[in-house]
Amino acid sequence: NAGVTQTPKFQVLKTGQSMTLQCAQDMNHEYMSWYRQDPGMGLRLIHYSVGAGITDQGEVPNGYNVSRSTTEDFPLRLLSAAPSQTSVYFCASSLGRDEQFFGPGTRLTVL
Amino acid sequence: DQQVKQNSPSLSVQEGRISILNCDYTNSMFDYFLWYKKYPAEGPTFLISISSIKDKNEDGRFTVFLNKSAKHLSLHIVPSQPGDSAVYFCAAMGNQFYFGTGTSLTVIP
Repeated sequence: NAGVTQTPKFQVLKTGQSMTLQCAQDMNHEYMSWYRQDPGMGLRLIHYSVGAGITDQGEVPNGYNVSRSTTEDFPLRLLSAAPSQTSVYFCASSLGRDEQFFGPGTRLTVL
Repeated sequence: DQQVKQNSPSLSVQEGRISILNCDYTNSMFDYFLWYKKYPAEGPTFLISISSIKDKNEDGRFTVFLNKSAKHLSLHIVPSQPGDSAVYFCAAMGNQFYFGTGTSLTVIP
């Protein structure tokens, strides 16, 4: 099992550009989520999904969109990147309200 | 407003001694608590958890204590080893996961 995979590992964007961060898991987990990690702020939940076709907002959803068309994939879309979205992004999955397995992260810089 | 707080950004401990990491929360509806360990340039990895119906859970060198009346949990690592040097996050589960800001543990050989 590959676990949770994220692509790309690194990305540099200009303000106003859009992009999609990819996340996939092969553990048949229903629960998937996206976090951002910023210095002194810990991990903050952006969006999460409890199953295919179901998504909900976390603590910091503004500027991000998600969709969940399959159990395996949970992409995160930045519609119009801003410097405040410079961060490290982690995707995670779990069977339910249980321990989460995290991907290796995507380091995003917005200039 | 931070619902899960780790008030100590860093902690240094001698190898072989006990490391105690603390975490406070504000929401009494949280019913499941977890600790994660994170090395630089990697994703967090699960360490240990505890349900709100328990007050202690042990797994090898790691023990988590939960004091519901004080809304406080702690992670004890005994004995501490240099490989334990990492950032530790506590997390609480309500309708979603909430993470603390992390404590950077350094174990000095």
